Amino acid sequence: GAVVSQHPSWVICKSGTSVKIECRSLDFQATTMFWYRQFPKQSLMLMATSNEGSKATYEQGVEKDKFLINHASLTLSTLTVTSAHPEDSSFYICSARGSGRNYEQYFGPGTRLTVT
Amino acid sequence: ILNVEQSPQSLHVQEGDSTNFTCSFPSSNFYALHWYRWETAKSPEALFVMTLNGDEKKKGRISATLNTKEGYSYLYIKGSQPEDSATYLCAFNSGSARQLTFGSGTQLTVLP
Repeated sequence: GAVVSQHPSWVICKSGTSVKIECRSLDFQATTMFWYRQFPKQSLMLMATSNEGSKATYEQGVEKDKFLINHASLTLSTLTVTSAHPEDSSFYICSARGSGRNYEQYFGPGTRLTVT
Repeated sequence: ILNVEQSPQSLHVQEGDSTNFTCSFPSSNFYALHWYRWETAKSPEALFVMTLNGDEKKKGRISATLNTKEGYSYLYIKGSQPEDSATYLCAFNSGSARQLTFGSGTQLTVLP
């Protein structure tokens, strides 16, 4: 149990376009989802936390107008990178936590975004 | 800013060797410490969640210990196998925070 899928697994887009990444909890209801970003050789850095039906809470330094997060249902959260630039190229990964699981987060496999 | 550090950054061992790595974290305001195993192109897999000082957890050949007073956790792998090759991440919850702060991981390669 506790499977999280993420789509797409990789995407290449042109500068100025927008890209949407989906994160789904397949066998549990995710009341909270988290979006992380990872640069090469670095830690997973939390970008934002989203609770179902609420606005996402963004970490300091993360532009909410650039990284739009929607968590409209208990099984789906989306991250849209708007007007992407080459510096947005990175690895994006989501995790999900159910209501009864205070500690554990379950991760998707991540999305490799390359902006040309 | 919470600082979670892992060492070594990478490690190569021979099949059959036992190995261990370290995760250090702030010793104040501890809530939980997580270990994940992350194979390339897969999702990070939760290994352990540890909450109490002195906790020891075991899953097969992998075990972990926790010292919250001094702010460290060890992950041990006994008799390493090639399939143990992965990046091992630790992550820290402080206080009542639901967010995880991650270390940069230890990349383990087990050579046959």
